[in-house]
Amino acid sequence: KNEVEQSPQNLTAQEGEFITINCSYSVGISALHWLQQHPGGGIVSLFMLSSGKKKHGRLIATINIQEKHSSLHITASHPRDSAVYICAVRGFGNEKLTFGTGTRLTIIP
Amino acid sequence: EPEVTQTPSHQVTQMGQEVILRCVPISNHLYFYWYRQILGQKVEFLVSFYNNEISEKSEIFDDQFSVERPDGSNFTLKIRSTKLEDSAMYFCASIRSRNTEAFFGQGTRLTVV
Repeated sequence: KNEVEQSPQNLTAQEGEFITINCSYSVGISALHWLQQHPGGGIVSLFMLSSGKKKHGRLIATINIQEKHSSLHITASHPRDSAVYICAVRGFGNEKLTFGTGTRLTIIP
Repeated sequence: EPEVTQTPSHQVTQMGQEVILRCVPISNHLYFYWYRQILGQKVEFLVSFYNNEISEKSEIFDDQFSVERPDGSNFTLKIRSTKLEDSAMYFCASIRSRNTEAFFGQGTRLTVV
């Protein structure tokens, strides 16, 4: 069973700051997902990655397969980035996701 | 942009009643999932469905739960006799093929009273 840990659990930052959220997992995976959950509860997929780095706008996700670790970075953070960011991993041979507990991010204007 | 849709967005039901949560996955997707999130906790896997049958289910998915894809578009989760502890947000998700991006619905908030 894969254990997925995220840090920090809560993060408050000023608008414009560079944000880093970390995720580590215990068992090798086929892919890692970064998801965003807004207060209404809906979940939106941000990235799916199995190696290296991906960038979309102000968001960057990296993964180190050997170290079983991924990071999500937000550059020039904005209050609308306030949400819960969730890391979820997919094992080999099945497609279900195992979720981390999420990081609650609050960006203050 | 294609999306997964779930209905209803919120359902309140009495303990012991049956509920059916509905999902319309993205039309060319082949793998379907139900997850749930109890308030304040992390999202948990319930069941996966592929080729018109359950491919995997968790310990949570006991005999009170069932899934169906009755007409090739809808994907339903039925809870036969709801308990207070079934109160949670239920998410439907779908993926097109192995190792592709997962798309989630907006969730159904189920409250059992």
